[in-house]
Amino acid sequence: RKEVEQDPGPFNVPEGATVAFNCTYSNSASQSFFWYRQDCRKEPKLLMSVYSSGNEDGRFTAQLNRASQYISLLIRDSKLSDSATYLCVAIIGGNEKLTFGTGTRLTIIP
Amino acid sequence: GAGVSQSPRYKVAKRGQDVALRCDPISGHVSLFWYQQALGQGPEFLTYFQNEAQLDKSGLPSDRFFAERPEGSVSTLKIQRTQQEDSAVYLCASSPIDYGYTFGSGTRLTVV
Repeated sequence: RKEVEQDPGPFNVPEGATVAFNCTYSNSASQSFFWYRQDCRKEPKLLMSVYSSGNEDGRFTAQLNRASQYISLLIRDSKLSDSATYLCVAIIGGNEKLTFGTGTRLTIIP
Repeated sequence: GAGVSQSPRYKVAKRGQDVALRCDPISGHVSLFWYQQALGQGPEFLTYFQNEAQLDKSGLPSDRFFAERPEGSVSTLKIQRTQQEDSAVYLCASSPIDYGYTFGSGTRLTVV
């Protein structure tokens, strides 16, 4: 079982809709969590960090539920430019390495 | 430089050939990571350096894979006797001492 699991999708969503992704992690020693965005044939780029208190950045909201060991990402009023793969990422234990999920592919349809 | 630079951008190798992939991290970044990303998958950790010390190489898939960072700056990932399953994008990332990773554009390796 992978340490970070995501539904690979694809999610095909009409422009303007709200879309939500969930991600689960298996290791309770996971300390820090992030959402990365990866465009086709590009490198991953940090979208936002994820905190238990929840955090919002414009149309994007991330939430961490430690009790249930899942992380969520909500995108409101989706834009065509939101089409990408969204990677759920955890840092497990005391090291610095990132552990990635498989990624969820999102396509926004005009 | 302004970002993490990787070369070559693309590499085609014949099965059995040795390859060397280069990563130039952001100047002053202490930590350097190598990841392997197969098609349709998330990046998988290979190895990690702090300055010139290789602190974790638990992700290297076999003894054909070797990484070095002799002066604590540029790093090279070497793959000996390449096999078809080595075909992937190899990503390098660097960070200052405490998170803030920046990824390079990657090297796309195709073994034929």
